[in-house]
Amino acid sequence: EDQVTQSPEALRLQEGESSSLNCSYTVSGLRGLFWYRQDPGKGPEFLFTLYSAGEEKEKERLKATLTKKESFLHITAPKPEDSATYLCAVFNDYKLSFGAGTTVTVRA
Amino acid sequence: GAVVSQHPSWVICKSGTSVKIECRSLDFQATTMFWYRQFPKQSLMLMATSNEGSKATYEQGVEKDKFLINHASLTLSTLTVTSAHPEDSSFYICSASRDRGSQETQYFGPGTRLLVL
Repeated sequence: EDQVTQSPEALRLQEGESSSLNCSYTVSGLRGLFWYRQDPGKGPEFLFTLYSAGEEKEKERLKATLTKKESFLHITAPKPEDSATYLCAVFNDYKLSFGAGTTVTVRA
Repeated sequence: GAVVSQHPSWVICKSGTSVKIECRSLDFQATTMFWYRQFPKQSLMLMATSNEGSKATYEQGVEKDKFLINHASLTLSTLTVTSAHPEDSSFYICSASRDRGSQETQYFGPGTRLLVL
């Protein structure tokens, strides 16, 4: 069965303090690894899709990378508005399997 | 584009009653819609996948007689929680994809918080 494990569970950062979130996965037939942002009481908001090892994507202060076993979401010089839960998910043949998320809190 | 809405956003009901949640794709036609459940501090768990005009496919462990899914049109899917009990209290989220060949690209709704007393 597909497994997605995210670490750490929670991350408290000072504004401007860069850090990385980890997503390790085991899946048969990976058809994409996804990163989402979820604010409290809201649905997931799409950030990135990565399809093959070595691929990288960037959006503002976020950068996602992918290897054969894990993905990293790097947050560079975060701001308080980057506070959210970041979800990782893998897609196999027919469904998305999500990790439990990393809750990031950025203090001003 | 690709906006998905859910209604209601919040619902509180008594144990034993049924609750219907609507999921709509507002600016595109969704051939496939997905229903997820999320408990506090846990991951989203897929409950079922529904294709327009056909019966939903339920994940293992999800009771199809308790969670009724209807996908009557290309823009609307409904989830009915029948005879709800406190353990059904959760955050229900739907998503929609434009075509069956790209089901990995899903657009998520804002979620519905269900509290069963």
